[in-house]
Amino acid sequence: GQQLNQSPQSMFIQEGEDVSMNCTSSSIFNTWLWYKQDPGEGPVLLIALYKAGELTSNGRLTAQFGITRKDSFLNISASIPSDVGIYFCAGQLPRADGLTFGKGTHLIIQP
Amino acid sequence: DTEVTQTPKHLVMGMTNKKSLKCEQHMGHRAMYWYKQKAKKPPELMFVYSYEKLSINESVPSRFSPECPNSSLLNLHLHALQPEDSALYLCASSQDRYGYTFGSGTRLTVV
Repeated sequence: GQQLNQSPQSMFIQEGEDVSMNCTSSSIFNTWLWYKQDPGEGPVLLIALYKAGELTSNGRLTAQFGITRKDSFLNISASIPSDVGIYFCAGQLPRADGLTFGKGTHLIIQP
Repeated sequence: DTEVTQTPKHLVMGMTNKKSLKCEQHMGHRAMYWYKQKAKKPPELMFVYSYEKLSINESVPSRFSPECPNSSLLNLHLHALQPEDSALYLCASSQDRYGYTFGSGTRLTVV
């Protein structure tokens, strides 16, 4: 199946630091989605991207749909303790219904 | 209403039991999905219903049987499961490629 390479796998940061994570693929996607998942819960949509080059913000979060349609990044500014969790990128291939997920970035904030 | 509601939240079943997972959305979405997620892994697509018709079955064993009674409801019938089927089962819905929303999941344990 299609693969999304998400990095980094985990991040240990101090509160207040900025965070950056990204996903790349050899395939072209027509939708990129970024989700956050807390233990025992379902993924919660953070940002949805539908056009190549699109840059979208949601509070302290900013994500971009790569111009080649094969990559996307998510930035979190001024991290706070509630940002802890697993962040997944997900892409939707043209003419496909399901999502292909990256393996996740585990964000840990050190006091 | 912008939610996908899944019941039950937790389920423990024996290998000879028959049980069902339920999912409901009232956003008017025409596509509904079942995903399976093992611990510390990304969600994996199982089934896609589009306009109440099964459009994708990702080679899922027949002990999992989906059903879409109407455009708002999605069930997953379980029979003769194995311990390795223990996982978080996620339902999602979308309207084409927009508004892709996940429920909070059913944590299934097979004993």
